[in-house]
Amino acid sequence: GAVVSQHPSRVICKSGTSVKIECRSLDFQATTMFWYRQFPKKSLMLMATSNEGSKATYEQGVEKDKFLINHASLTLSTLTVTSAHPEDSSFYICSAVGTSGVYEQYFGPGTRLTVT
Amino acid sequence: SQQGEEDPQALSIQEGENATMNCSYKTSINNLQWYRQNSGRGLVHLILIRSNEREKHSGRLRVTLDTSKKSSSLLITASRAADTASYFCATRRLSGTASKLTFGTGTRLQVTL
Repeated sequence: GAVVSQHPSRVICKSGTSVKIECRSLDFQATTMFWYRQFPKKSLMLMATSNEGSKATYEQGVEKDKFLINHASLTLSTLTVTSAHPEDSSFYICSAVGTSGVYEQYFGPGTRLTVT
Repeated sequence: SQQGEEDPQALSIQEGENATMNCSYKTSINNLQWYRQNSGRGLVHLILIRSNEREKHSGRLRVTLDTSKKSSSLLITASRAADTASYFCATRRLSGTASKLTFGTGTRLQVTL
């Protein structure tokens, strides 16, 4: 099946710094990638939809200047958490859909961000 | 905002028993999917059921969909300890994967020996 990877799997950073999370589709081309955020024991909340070569579409309440998304190629999307604060600590999951029009989304393993 | 509500929020059963999780949603959908998530891990796609389907099977999984009640159920038969995980339903309103997948609140399943 299709594989989506995320890097890093865990990251700890200090308040005020920026952190970049990468999401890669390893064996397929992804025209669309989604970024989700998940709090402990909660569901996934969609943050933004990223299309290759165009600006991301952010969900209501998500600060686009704080969560920068770049979908530079058909296999890579990045999420940069700028000026991180402890409340940004969360589990971030990306998801990718292929160009073949299949119904399934493929999810990455997630990145655990801890801001101290 | 989240569209789906799942119940129960948590379910504890013994190995060999069946586990049933329910999902309700609010708007019309194109398809509904069930995912599994082990603690601290990503999601694994389990099964997809389209809006014109009523029931679907995959191994020990059985999914039903009632669009008139806007609800779905996931049945895991003969549960195993390895089935311990959180299970989420997710709905897609439109056809095509570029439309949003909206997740339910999830059911945490614990299967004990």
